[in-house]
Amino acid sequence: AQSVTQLGSHVSVSEGALVLLRCNYSSSVPPYLFWYVQYPNQGLQLLLKYTTGATLVKGINGFEAEFKKSETSFHLTKPSAHMSDAAEYFCAVSPNAGGTSYGKLTFGQGTILTVHP
Amino acid sequence: DSGVTQTPKHLITATGQRVTLRCSPRSGDLSVYWYQQSLDQGLQFLIQYYNGEERAKGNILERFSAQQFPDLHSELNLSSLELGDSALYFCASSVATTLDLYNEQFFGPGTRLTVL
Repeated sequence: AQSVTQLGSHVSVSEGALVLLRCNYSSSVPPYLFWYVQYPNQGLQLLLKYTTGATLVKGINGFEAEFKKSETSFHLTKPSAHMSDAAEYFCAVSPNAGGTSYGKLTFGQGTILTVHP
Repeated sequence: DSGVTQTPKHLITATGQRVTLRCSPRSGDLSVYWYQQSLDQGLQFLIQYYNGEERAKGNILERFSAQQFPDLHSELNLSSLELGDSALYFCASSVATTLDLYNEQFFGPGTRLTVL
């Protein structure tokens, strides 16, 4: 079974500072990996995804993430935080092959990002 | 706007009652997924339908059922409601053909269910 662990339920940074949100996964084979963002009272929006190919993935709003197979990690970063980045961020995994669990997204518990002026 | 619509936005009901949540996927998407987001359990996958047929099942209670209709919209039925069923219920859709190389899901705004 796949699982996702997000280290830190709350992360607080100053505007302009580096954002680092950590995600580790557990899977028998490398899965597909995703980061979603949820703004208050809204649905989830896909930030970026890793499927195959280049391990450094760039997403929307200046975010990027690097897939490290040896560390089973997919940490999300942004060089300079903006007030509008304040939201909850979810790391998710999905099987990369067919079968009965194909299509299922398994989410981490989420990390609330607070950005201080 | 993801293109996925969900109705109603809010639903308040009493224990023991039954409700139906509705989801319309993005145009062209054949697959619909239902998720539950609660403070206790976080975001959990409930069930997936592909072109009218059940494709995958997650932690869905027996009191809950879903279906996908020929026009591809989906409904999630929750019955014998309990206080613990209070949550945000999300629908997502994707193309998700059998040849899909990845599973990009687009989420609706959710239906907030409150059971009193």
